[in-house]
Amino acid sequence: DVKVTQSSRYLVKRTGEKVFLECVQDMDHENMFWYRQDPGLGLRLIYFSYDVKMKEKGDIPEGYSVSREKKERFSLILESASTNQTSMYLCASSHPGLAGTDTQYFGPGTRLTVL
Amino acid sequence: SQQGEEDPQALSIQEGENATMNCSYKTSINNLQWYRQNSGRGLVHLILIRSNEREKHSGRLRVTLDTSKKSSSLLITASRAADTASYFCATLSPGNQFYFGTGTSLTVIP
Repeated sequence: DVKVTQSSRYLVKRTGEKVFLECVQDMDHENMFWYRQDPGLGLRLIYFSYDVKMKEKGDIPEGYSVSREKKERFSLILESASTNQTSMYLCASSHPGLAGTDTQYFGPGTRLTVL
Repeated sequence: SQQGEEDPQALSIQEGENATMNCSYKTSINNLQWYRQNSGRGLVHLILIRSNEREKHSGRLRVTLDTSKKSSSLLITASRAADTASYFCATLSPGNQFYFGTGTSLTVIP
């Protein structure tokens, strides 16, 4: 069964802390994604990766960085957390199969609160 | 940005009625997908329709795609209270990027 897991369901951090959000998938997918979800704004892409050691900026990369040292793990890093980074963070993975058939699988999400 | 937009933002219906949600997008796509999200949970993939398809069915779900109008609709027939959730459309661009809409919040009243 397909599985994407995230290290924490709920996380509370203080302003200025360095925060690591971990995501692991067991489907041998090449592609992995980090999104944040905020009320009224939908899902916004932060960073994505199409292969190990590769990363690309999404729509809102500012204040974030990522790491993909292994194919199954994609980490999102908040270098210095700020209150405007309080949000639900969703990780996803996909296998780039035949054109037109790519489907993403999502983790359960991490609700991060920055005080 | 190619972010899709769902319409309506919120929908409330009685159990047994049909629910229709619409999605519009801006540029060319390879496929369009619909997802469901229960409150506080992750997303669940519902159905995918390719750019060369016009209609697709899966159980109580029916999806249509009109690439000339850059729009899609999701129909849930014979709704149930358990269908209460937020529904999102997402498009896959030729550049292999996903773009999500802002979602429709569906409430099915028992």
